[in-house]
Amino acid sequence: DAKTTQPTSMDCAEGRAANLPCNHSTISGNEYVYWYRQIHSQGPQYIIHGLKNNETNEMASLIITEDRKSSTLILPHATLRDTAVYYCIVPIFNQFYFGTGTSLTVIP
Amino acid sequence: GAGVSQSPSNKVTEKGKDVELRCDPISGHTALYWYRQSLGQGLEFLIYFQGNSAPDKSGLPSDRFSAERTGGSVSTLTIQRTQQEDSAVYLCASSLVRGGALILAYEQYFGPGTRLTVT
Repeated sequence: DAKTTQPTSMDCAEGRAANLPCNHSTISGNEYVYWYRQIHSQGPQYIIHGLKNNETNEMASLIITEDRKSSTLILPHATLRDTAVYYCIVPIFNQFYFGTGTSLTVIP
Repeated sequence: GAGVSQSPSNKVTEKGKDVELRCDPISGHTALYWYRQSLGQGLEFLIYFQGNSAPDKSGLPSDRFSAERTGGSVSTLTIQRTQQEDSAVYLCASSLVRGGALILAYEQYFGPGTRLTVT
């Protein structure tokens, strides 16, 4: 069973920031938070991961709350190509439970 | 460099037949995962290989499913006596495993998948 909960779906206007929330209230001190996305008919794509500090790479930023019970993935300037299902994952004993994720639709 | 490759890309088989699905991970990646994704569903973890350790088979749905990883590289997922409910996209991923003894980080890179249809 997944250790995370995410909204089922979200919309975002093209060019605006997309903020995708994730709750992981039972996370342990040494467990990472991972984000992946899956564009229709493709394999999942790694986006970013973090432990307790905020992280940024060329794709996105990850903001983790101080108590580590939740995090937010930020796509700073969403494009139509960012329309996908976004998965927030806390691995359990090397197993990644992808759950159903958040279906993000970027609207022109 | 080359990514994860899987073959075949599509497989149609008759109910009751055996099938083998192949995964070539990224060179140097010590961890390999198999998942399946039924139409409109999320990914379902099947099995995990890490180095020379015994694989984590806890996600395999029945004893008709088995997997091998030869030489720490290529992996084969075998489904015996296929059933219609086995129809799905089977995805393979590989990763490095790094970090200290207690903190391991995994960034999985996925292949394009094999679409299995059991008729």
